[in-house]
Amino acid sequence: DAGITQSPRHKVTETGTPVTLRCHQTENHRYMYWYRQDPGHGLRLIHYSYGVKDTDKGEVSDGYSVSRSKTEDFLLTLESATSSQTSVYFCAISSSGSNKTQYFGPGTRLLVL
Amino acid sequence: EDQVTQSPEALRLQEGESSSLNCSYTVSGLRGLFWYRQDPGKGPEFLFTLYSAGEEKEKERLKATLTKKESFLHITAPKPEDSATYLCAVPDNYGQNFVFGPGTRLSVLP
Repeated sequence: DAGITQSPRHKVTETGTPVTLRCHQTENHRYMYWYRQDPGHGLRLIHYSYGVKDTDKGEVSDGYSVSRSKTEDFLLTLESATSSQTSVYFCAISSSGSNKTQYFGPGTRLLVL
Repeated sequence: EDQVTQSPEALRLQEGESSSLNCSYTVSGLRGLFWYRQDPGKGPEFLFTLYSAGEEKEKERLKATLTKKESFLHITAPKPEDSATYLCAVPDNYGQNFVFGPGTRLSVLP
């Protein structure tokens, strides 16, 4: 298994509160990704990073921000959580190159009440 | 717009009953097609990458094939432990990110 951990694994929060999810890798891969997975929508990219302090938006980035201060850590922040952000969040990593396999973490299940 | 579709949405098989799953894509200039398996409550697990039409990859009871516009995941004599959702993905036209299909939910009954 690729060395990817996500924390927390489960979280319940209230609307309007900030939430930060953490992805940690031990593979020293350059690229890191945050996805959300919802029934009927599949996996959708939120943000990705192509190096320390280098990030870009994905398909569904509104309401989310990210930071990457170290190669091994990629943080996803919901500044003010909404019920529409209830989802399962997956982190993925890949090595450099355009034909790069992405390896996924175990996921974080977030419920916003 | 890059699109990836998968069919069927769900498939129920009896143990030993072989079948195929389909993944169709519209992205131009294919830079690889990736198959993943996802078990409930877990992250997707990488299975195969295919890069060119005619290429085939095998792993246990699974064989993936690729044509110019679609890929098939053939499951031979499946077992209940093959039950999972199977996802396919392709890099988008910029080669930076993946476009995932919605998945096929496979159930293999004993």
